[in-house]
Amino acid sequence: DAKTTQPPSMDCAEGRAANLPCNHSTISGNEYVYWYRQIHSQGPQYIIHGLKNNETNEMASLIITEDRKSSTLILPHATLRDTAVYYCIVRVAITNDYKLSFGAGTTVTVRA
Amino acid sequence: DVKVTQSSRYLVKRTGEKVFLECVQDMDHENMFWYRQDPGLGLRLIYFSYDVKMKEKGDIPEGYSVSREKKERFSLILESASTNQTSMYLCASSSNLPQNYEQYFGPGTRLTVT
Repeated sequence: DAKTTQPPSMDCAEGRAANLPCNHSTISGNEYVYWYRQIHSQGPQYIIHGLKNNETNEMASLIITEDRKSSTLILPHATLRDTAVYYCIVRVAITNDYKLSFGAGTTVTVRA
Repeated sequence: DVKVTQSSRYLVKRTGEKVFLECVQDMDHENMFWYRQDPGLGLRLIYFSYDVKMKEKGDIPEGYSVSREKKERFSLILESASTNQTSMYLCASSSNLPQNYEQYFGPGTRLTVT
């Protein structure tokens, strides 16, 4: 699986949009970009994933650049409960590859 | 919403005890997973199952076994608990469809072996 690079931490003001970048310059054509987050002392939570097109769900939006070498997760209106470690993962979606490799992620702190 | 539940949030066991961790999912998912998470080591896959009665070893299966008798339930067994098995244990489930391989996690069980 391609390696990802994320900033170690970022702060965000409550109510503002949080834009979390991720670089995955070695991504190959059949690899998806997944985002998870982990709030302290809880299990990881799936947020969103995409292959080429931008995606949006009730939690967030995912913007993937045209060359697919980077992506941005957008939390449109951050709340205090969005404080968590956010993980960007690139992986091939094939039947016998179930491993999830969580890197260090970005620690996001939402401040009132 | 997908719901994955784990039998305990916190557990304290003695060295040598047999420990059962239970996981139940309500989304009719084919795949289920057991991970452990330790500071600095990230998430490590212990075992996974892609069907009832089927299991596959992950990266660190030693000292663990699993059981999947029903589709919705996946159990992790520590045959003889040791102090190096003190960890956060996470269960997850996922669909078998390539476009839906995202894994949904339970709240975790923090196990302490003394």
